[in-house]
Amino acid sequence: DAMVIQNPRYQVTQFGKPVTLSCSQTLNHNVMYWYQQKSSQAPKLLFHYYDKDFNNEADTPDNFQSRRPNTSFCFLDIRSPGLGDAAMYLCATSPQGGGLQETQYFGPGTRLLVL
Amino acid sequence: KQEVTQIPAALSVPEGENLVLNCSFTDSAIYNLQWFRQDPGKGLTSLLLIQSSQREQTSGRLNASLDKSSGRSTLYIAASQPGDSATYLCAVLRGGNNRLAFGKGNQVVVIP
Repeated sequence: DAMVIQNPRYQVTQFGKPVTLSCSQTLNHNVMYWYQQKSSQAPKLLFHYYDKDFNNEADTPDNFQSRRPNTSFCFLDIRSPGLGDAAMYLCATSPQGGGLQETQYFGPGTRLLVL
Repeated sequence: KQEVTQIPAALSVPEGENLVLNCSFTDSAIYNLQWFRQDPGKGLTSLLLIQSSQREQTSGRLNASLDKSSGRSTLYIAASQPGDSATYLCAVLRGGNNRLAFGKGNQVVVIP
């Protein structure tokens, strides 16, 4: 089945220790998104790629970076995780982005714990 | 900036009752509005998508309405079941910028 896959599902890291979360998709979608979701909060868009075109949200901290080496994979790098970065990180894709009938397809998420 | 509000934040209903979940948004210039379901510790699953020119969409026991001029949408779930227990999130897509603005969700518990 075509899908969005996130690894690992749970990630524990230490304060200040760099961590990388990964997302892959078999949908061949053009657009990939990273969201941060804290408990009982709305998902917050961090950045998205339209093909290779990187789009950073204005309020995304510099501590967060992303890479998209090819259509299928996208990575979220947190350079120096702080306690406030503990959250669920959701990856999503969409065919073209912004279409009237277009939805986003979400992966299961990676829950990050910072000790 | 688009603000999306969902009321109530949490609710419990007995099995068999109809569920009514409300979403409001501040900027009516939207491409579409979507309702997602999120189970605890999981990702989001799209339930219904209403284009800006449409008034409602239906899928099985689910019906979503959209009143763009007043900035409101309502999700109806008929004859609720315990399996409907989840958080339901409303999201609006502004024209052509790939960005969904989400509400915080309605956390629903259906009591057997």
